[in-house]
Amino acid sequence: DVKVTQSSRYLVKRTGEKVFLECVQDMDHENMFWYRQDPGLGLRLIYFSYDVKMKEKGDIPEGYSVSREKKERFSLILESASTNQTSMYLCASADGFPYEQYFGPGTRLTVT
Amino acid sequence: QQPVQSPQAVILREGEDAVINCSSSKALYSVHWYRQKHGEAPVFLMILLKGGEQKGHEKISASFNEKKQQSSLYLTASQLSYSGTYFCGTGEGNFNKFYFGSGTKLNVKP
Repeated sequence: DVKVTQSSRYLVKRTGEKVFLECVQDMDHENMFWYRQDPGLGLRLIYFSYDVKMKEKGDIPEGYSVSREKKERFSLILESASTNQTSMYLCASADGFPYEQYFGPGTRLTVT
Repeated sequence: QQPVQSPQAVILREGEDAVINCSSSKALYSVHWYRQKHGEAPVFLMILLKGGEQKGHEKISASFNEKKQQSSLYLTASQLSYSGTYFCGTGEGNFNKFYFGSGTKLNVKP
């Protein structure tokens, strides 16, 4: 079974802090994704990566950056956390479009 | 660009049927369906591709009308385990043009 793990289930940070969310997948998938999930808005794509060091912006990239130095690991970085970035963050991986995405358990981030 | 799902919520009794719809204003290459149970990660149900190909894990059926840019998910003889929020995701060909809907919350009662 594909396993996607995220570094933290719950995280509390202060406004202005730099925040790192990490995601690791164990199935050698090419594609990895970061979404945020907010009530009533569904899942919105922040960034995705289709190869090591390759990335593309999704629907809501503002305020975020990403890093993919190894195939199995995809990091989401909040350069200066703000309260409007309080959300559930979900990482996913997929073996090539248009195949199914496998999601991690999510990180609930609270920025105070 | 985000697809529109309907209904937003539905309550069923075990054994009843339901249909969840997903529509887009854009021409679609694929439609994905996922289910998320409370407190858990979304889980893949089915992919429908332009041209008729389908790929799914469960005994859940769906349709994809390419001309109307619509998809429907059919839940027949519902079970308690079907409860959760269902999301459709629509793609125009690339992941940077892939969007999830806001979800349909399904509650199956005994």
